Amino acid sequence: GQNIDQPTEMTATEGAIVQINCTYQTSGFNGLFWYQQHAGEAPTFLSYNVLDGLEEKGRFSSFLSRSKGYSYLLLKELQMKDSASYLCAVDHFEGGSYIPTFGRGTSLIVHP
Amino acid sequence: DAGVTQSPTHLIKTRGQHVTLRCSPISGHKSVSWYQQVLGQGPQFIFQYYEKEERGRGNFPDRFSARQFPNYSSELNVNALLLGDSALYLCASSPTRQGSGYGYTFGSGTRLTVV
Repeated sequence: GQNIDQPTEMTATEGAIVQINCTYQTSGFNGLFWYQQHAGEAPTFLSYNVLDGLEEKGRFSSFLSRSKGYSYLLLKELQMKDSASYLCAVDHFEGGSYIPTFGRGTSLIVHP
Repeated sequence: DAGVTQSPTHLIKTRGQHVTLRCSPISGHKSVSWYQQVLGQGPQFIFQYYEKEERGRGNFPDRFSARQFPNYSSELNVNALLLGDSALYLCASSPTRQGSGYGYTFGSGTRLTVV
């Protein structure tokens, strides 16, 4: 089966930098996604990594190490609106299908 | 452009009843996936349909079924509802069979309450 682990909750200060880690165990790895989900809303796509390395998108960056089964999402210049749940999801290929498995999410609280 | 639309937004059903949830993907998207999200957890994969064929199935009982229509819209059906089926049901669409660089675009979901 697939196993994804990420911290349950993190807190940070407005303007700071925060790193949310995600570790996974999977076979047939086909990429890793990060999503942001505000309370009561649908998840929104942030990033996708399929090769090792860092992908940067504005204030958000995502890193992947396939050999270590490890990824992180880096949020810079934190804003209050960044308070949300951050979901790590691994896409894997199994039985002819691409199956995405989500972690439980990391609830990020940004305070002034 | 319209995003992924789901209907209804909220639904209350009684144990043992049947429910049908509907999803319209973004125009041009051929892949539709269904997820169940319980409060405090990440979405759990139920089904993926691509080009009107089932391409993936998660670990859900046979009471759950789905289909995709020629216009790529989709329905999720749940029979013999249980209290534990109460959750947010999310639909996501993608232009390709796999999310890859596009990611999956989620609808706002249907909040199902079983009483």
